[in-house]
Amino acid sequence: QQQVKQSPQSLIVQKGGISIINCAYENTAFDYFPWYQQFPGKGPALLIAIRPDVSEKKEGRFTISFNKSAKQFSLHIMDSQPGDSATYFCAASSGSARQLTFGSGTQLTVLP
Amino acid sequence: EPEVTQTPSHQVTQMGQEVILRCVPISNHLYFYWYRQILGQKVEFLVSFYNNEISEKSEIFDDQFSVERPDGSNFTLKIRSTKLEDSAMYFCASRGWAGGSYEQYFGPGTRLTVT
Repeated sequence: QQQVKQSPQSLIVQKGGISIINCAYENTAFDYFPWYQQFPGKGPALLIAIRPDVSEKKEGRFTISFNKSAKQFSLHIMDSQPGDSATYFCAASSGSARQLTFGSGTQLTVLP
Repeated sequence: EPEVTQTPSHQVTQMGQEVILRCVPISNHLYFYWYRQILGQKVEFLVSFYNNEISEKSEIFDDQFSVERPDGSNFTLKIRSTKLEDSAMYFCASRGWAGGSYEQYFGPGTRLTVT
């Protein structure tokens, strides 16, 4: 019940295309859903986050769509660039300690 | 911009030895965390620390692990008797107020190799 399922495992898009990564969860206690970007050899870096009281949040080229009834959320990267090539993790948290439960990651490659 | 720092960046140790991984969280943050990432796998929660005590821990965080905040700036993870399966990247994170919400910020990690 604590798992966050992420797909696809890998994604290849052309420069300028839209990258879409999906996550699903079971635990209805989760109330915070961040996305992290990780480059090789680096720690995860917070990209964008959403709470379940909104259905969409946009920051620049990055948008989170959230479907509370389906218990799903997704990351959309518009106008994907080669510099976006990285591993993307969705995550969820709840409770007072707010520890993050991560998805399995999506390796995104944006072709020039 | 404040950041979480970790030392060392890479630690090689022999099985059965004790290791201490060090972290300096962002200065005004109050919640601290350790996560690990085995090569090619997802990031897994180990432990959270608040008000000088453990607030949550996962099943991975067994008796061979301990955490400590020995002074006002450092946050350490000790593995008493390392095993081969402890080889992983260990990330420290701290949580604080940023841009209208509480967010967790991760350090660059320590790569632990147990031989």
